[in-house]
Amino acid sequence: DIQMTQSPSSLSASVGDRVTITCRASQGIRSDLSWYEQKPGKAPQRLIYGASILHRGVPSRFSGSGYGTEFSLTISSLQPEDFATYFCLQHNSFPFTFGQGTKLEIK
Amino acid sequence: EVQLVESGGGLAKPGESLRLACAGAGFSFSGAWMNWVRQAPGKGLEWIGRIKSKRDGETIDDAAPVRGRFIISRDDSRSTLYLQMSGLETEDTAIYYCTTGVTGTSHDGYWGQGTLVTVSS
Repeated sequence: DIQMTQSPSSLSASVGDRVTITCRASQGIRSDLSWYEQKPGKAPQRLIYGASILHRGVPSRFSGSGYGTEFSLTISSLQPEDFATYFCLQHNSFPFTFGQGTKLEIK
Repeated sequence: EVQLVESGGGLAKPGESLRLACAGAGFSFSGAWMNWVRQAPGKGLEWIGRIKSKRDGETIDDAAPVRGRFIISRDDSRSTLYLQMSGLETEDTAIYYCTTGVTGTSHDGYWGQGTLVTVSS
């Protein structure tokens, strides 16, 4: 199975900050990676697919990059509604696997 | 708007069975590849399996921990995805989510709210 190592596991930041979350795959997955946001009690919402393509309706402050084994999600200017948990998903090979998640908290 | 609504969760004893359902709306369900994902309390997300569309052969791929115990199926006439769970174990306690596919089609990338399955004696 492909292991997805996500970091950091938690992050404190302020409104307006720029933050970056990373996922590292244990083997190459091309660009077969998505990023999701999850708020307590809510369904996860896809932000990015294909490593860098913005999902419909997602604000442009979110961006993704990477290929192969190293990927990142960047929020250019944190908004109050962005404090949530973020996770990555690789769908290059079965079983699909997730990063452990990053909890983004208000500083 | 894509909507996915899971149902069928609840309390089961070890060894018992449950069937989860996921009703889809707002998209062409018959053309969608569908997934089941679960999240145990305090744990990360675990992909359970995927079923392709009938047009693409209705092929099923599933994860080792559930293989032989869980069966994924679909009824396109009802726009509903199913997860038949048998031989339940306490480790199967989790919130179960259905999701659409992972690529870039207009209906991909959506998750339901989840349904809680608790396995306990």
